[in-house]
Amino acid sequence: AQTVTQSQPEMSVQEAETVTLSCTYDTSESDYYLFWYKQPPSRQMILVIRQEAYKQQNATENRFSVNFQKAAKSFSLKISDSQLGDAAMYFCAYWEYGNKLVFGAGTILRVKS
Amino acid sequence: NAGVTQTPKFRILKIGQSMTLQCTQDMNHNYMYWYRQDPGMGLKLIYYSVGAGITDKGEVPNGYNVSRSTTEDFPLRLELAAPSQTSVYFCASSLYGYTFGSGTRLTVV
Repeated sequence: AQTVTQSQPEMSVQEAETVTLSCTYDTSESDYYLFWYKQPPSRQMILVIRQEAYKQQNATENRFSVNFQKAAKSFSLKISDSQLGDAAMYFCAYWEYGNKLVFGAGTILRVKS
Repeated sequence: NAGVTQTPKFRILKIGQSMTLQCTQDMNHNYMYWYRQDPGMGLKLIYYSVGAGITDKGEVPNGYNVSRSTTEDFPLRLELAAPSQTSVYFCASSLYGYTFGSGTRLTVV
C-alpha cells in the first residue's frame, strides 16, 4: 500500500523568508499525482499545488513551488516570501487515478512577524 | 459550478442520536469519499464510492453507513452517535485530483 511520510510535525518561518516542507512517499507505480493541501484554522482543505509524476518539470504556483525527485520518492514544498496568511497545517498527499487519496500526517507551519 | 457541497456545517448531537451528513457534487465525478479528521490529525477514510450503487469501506467505517443512489449524492449516516465520532467530516470527489467540501464539524455530547 502507498504511504506518505511528513517528517516535520511543525515548522516556523520568519515573514518574508523561505521555508521548505518535506514529504516522502512509497509506491511501486509509475503514474500518479502528488499534492500539497493547506488547511487553515477554518479547516477548509485548499489545494496548493499539484504534480503529475510523468512530468519532469517541477510545478510552481506563484510563491509555491515543489522539488519533485521521482527516483528518490521525494516531494518537498517551498514557500517563498512567506506571509502571515501562509500559517496553516500542510498535508502532502498521493493519488493514483481511480484510487484513494493517501495523506501524510501533516506539518504545522507557523509564520512569525 | 458549486463543486462539492456539504451540509450542515456544524452540528451537535446527543449520544445515541442519529443523523445524516449530506454531500452533493455537480462535476459528474464517479468517485466520492468521506473522511474524518480528528483534532491535530490527518484525514482518515471512512467510506468511498466508485459510482452510483457501489460503495466500499475505508480505514474507519465502524459506526457509519453510506449510500450512493445517484452520481451526485453521497450521504453519510451516523447511527447511535458516540463521543468518539466527534470530528470534522469531509466529503470529496475526484476525477484527476480531489475536490473537497468545506467540512462538517460534528460534536457528540
